[in-house]
Amino acid sequence: AQSVTQPDARVTVSEGASLQLRCKYSSSGTPYLFWYVQYPRQGLQLLLKYYSGDPVVQGVNGFEAEFSKSNSSFHLRKASVHWSDSAVYFCVLSAGMLSGSFNKLTFGAGTRLAVCP
Amino acid sequence: EAAVTQSPRNKVAVTGGKVTLSCNQTNNHNNMYWYRQDTGHGLRLIHYSYGAGSTEKGDIPDGYKASRPSQENFSLILELATPSQTSVYFCASGEDWGPGQLYFGEGSKLTVL
Repeated sequence: AQSVTQPDARVTVSEGASLQLRCKYSSSGTPYLFWYVQYPRQGLQLLLKYYSGDPVVQGVNGFEAEFSKSNSSFHLRKASVHWSDSAVYFCVLSAGMLSGSFNKLTFGAGTRLAVCP
Repeated sequence: EAAVTQSPRNKVAVTGGKVTLSCNQTNNHNNMYWYRQDTGHGLRLIHYSYGAGSTEKGDIPDGYKASRPSQENFSLILELATPSQTSVYFCASGEDWGPGQLYFGEGSKLTVL
């Protein structure tokens, strides 16, 4: 069975500080991993994705994530956060070929990020 | 710009009543999905569809039906609504060839009293 764990339900950082949001996954097949962001009163938007290759992937708005197979992790990072980054961030795992559908997704519980001025 | 629109955005229903949540996409995607979002659970898949006329059960289908009458429209139906179905529901569409690249609507908040 697949699972995604985001150990931090809430993270608070000061504007301009660096950020890391943690994500651990469990998958019996090749993992396809994503970070989605949900701004207040909006739907989810894709932030970045990892399929294969370079373990560090770049996303929008200066976000990046690093895939580690040995640690089963896919942590999200940003060098300097802005108040507009305040949102809920979801780490997401695709079932991939095992289920016959790439788009059956397993979501983590989400991490609510608050950026203080 | 990809677009998924949901209606209604807010709904208050009574226990035992019928609720229909509608979703329309202009992306021409074959795949559409209904999720519910609850605190501490992330999003959980209720039903999905590979195209017009098809519906498949997701991870938590009990108490829900789905209907895909056309490429553009995908509905979620609660025949006998219960308070446990109070939640925020998201519709999404996705391409066949892009793992995980889903486009979400803005959500429908359902309260069952």
